[in-house]
Amino acid sequence: TQLLEQSPQFLSIQEGENLTVYCNSSSVFSSLQWYRQEPGEGPVLLVTVVTGGEVKKLKRLTFQFGDARKDSSLHITAAQPGDTGLYLCAGAKGAQKLVFGQGTRLTINP
Amino acid sequence: DADVTQTPRNRITKTGKRIMLECSQTKGHDRMYWYRQDPGLGLRLIYYSFDVKDINKGEISDGYSVSRQAQAKFSLSLESAIPNQTALYFCATSDPPGTGELFFGEGSRLTVL
Repeated sequence: TQLLEQSPQFLSIQEGENLTVYCNSSSVFSSLQWYRQEPGEGPVLLVTVVTGGEVKKLKRLTFQFGDARKDSSLHITAAQPGDTGLYLCAGAKGAQKLVFGQGTRLTINP
Repeated sequence: DADVTQTPRNRITKTGKRIMLECSQTKGHDRMYWYRQDPGLGLRLIYYSFDVKDINKGEISDGYSVSRQAQAKFSLSLESAIPNQTALYFCATSDPPGTGELFFGEGSRLTVL
């Protein structure tokens, strides 16, 4: 059983469309991170959210941490081909050990 | 040069062989990790080390062992490789107390025939 469930697992959309990726759990996390991974590379941190209800923006990407700190979402506005990649959420449950979701593979078609 | 370097990047081996994956880092971080990535399963923690004298099992440590030779070096061994250990392996570092950000290497793709 996956502690963190991401949905959808695969998403293919046209350039310019908006999308939302979800990361859900029944557990409470002290913080939640989002990473992006490109082929042949390791994941790279995009953002960390710490406070319940927190919203962070990174250009066209908006990250939200649920009020109860059990879930998070990533919204991309006007997606571009450069947004293509594997998006991973990861929750921290103390001692800085992270639990990862299974990932969302996003493809943006020109 | 990458801050976290993994060798080899690709390896094909046979069932029963002993394999070592090596990781070195120039970030000066105390904490190092080994993760395994499989399609549809995300990243799963194999072992982690918070300093040179500290080794801890992760969620899937069976069939694996590690050695922390120095602050900068953390190696993962498969004593007798089996096909279901075919996966992409990542080494990562982090620097407490910070945000807990993990800095990953580029990965080592292992295929066990």
